[in-house]
Amino acid sequence: GAGVSQSPSNKVTEKGKDVELRCDPISGHTALYWYRQRLGQGLEFLIYFQGNSAPDKSGLPSDRFSAERTGESVSTLTIQRTQQEDSAVYLCASSSYMRTEAFFGQGTRLTVV
Amino acid sequence: DQQVKQNSPSLSVQEGRISILNCDYTNSMFDYFLWYKKYPAEGPTFLISISSIKDKNEDGRFTVFLNKSAKHLSLHIVPSQPGDSAVYFCAADTGNQFYFGTGTSLTVIP
Repeated sequence: GAGVSQSPSNKVTEKGKDVELRCDPISGHTALYWYRQRLGQGLEFLIYFQGNSAPDKSGLPSDRFSAERTGESVSTLTIQRTQQEDSAVYLCASSSYMRTEAFFGQGTRLTVV
Repeated sequence: DQQVKQNSPSLSVQEGRISILNCDYTNSMFDYFLWYKKYPAEGPTFLISISSIKDKNEDGRFTVFLNKSAKHLSLHIVPSQPGDSAVYFCAADTGNQFYFGTGTSLTVIP
């Protein structure tokens, strides 16, 4: 497809387990963002990748969170030892070098039980 | 440090009236601003944008106003419709990275 694709769309996991969320950006988009939105809360920045530059990790809430991106391709967000407060919708967005707008995926709804 | 702020988490407006959503920013290097709309269970979608060289951009019922001296951005929706009920995010771009506000939930009451 032509849009940003995220998988899985829904994930239920037990507290303490690790989860991996995937984002396929639009082909050719150099920038990739991860955000999360907890229930009833606003959009919370997590991490930003731009090409081969060092990522901006300033939004990651703890060292249990990490993300990788190889070049301008797929990104994975990993949450280790999940906690109930990690329950949220995790959104990925990508934008081109021209940066006219960022395109969002549908999000992954993570529920930690 | 939140560089783009939406201080009103929610707003309710009667159908047919004007909805005004506000956004403030702190970084004078921002040169491009956008508004996004998000329905439940969907990702945010682009709505309208404005360059810093302009102070107004209009697209149908949606108008974005930019006041650079006040570092303030607003989105006007007129007339408001029940289908406009959604969460609205403002965003700003330095030319290197987008920064998003936390969102305002708009409810248009029929």
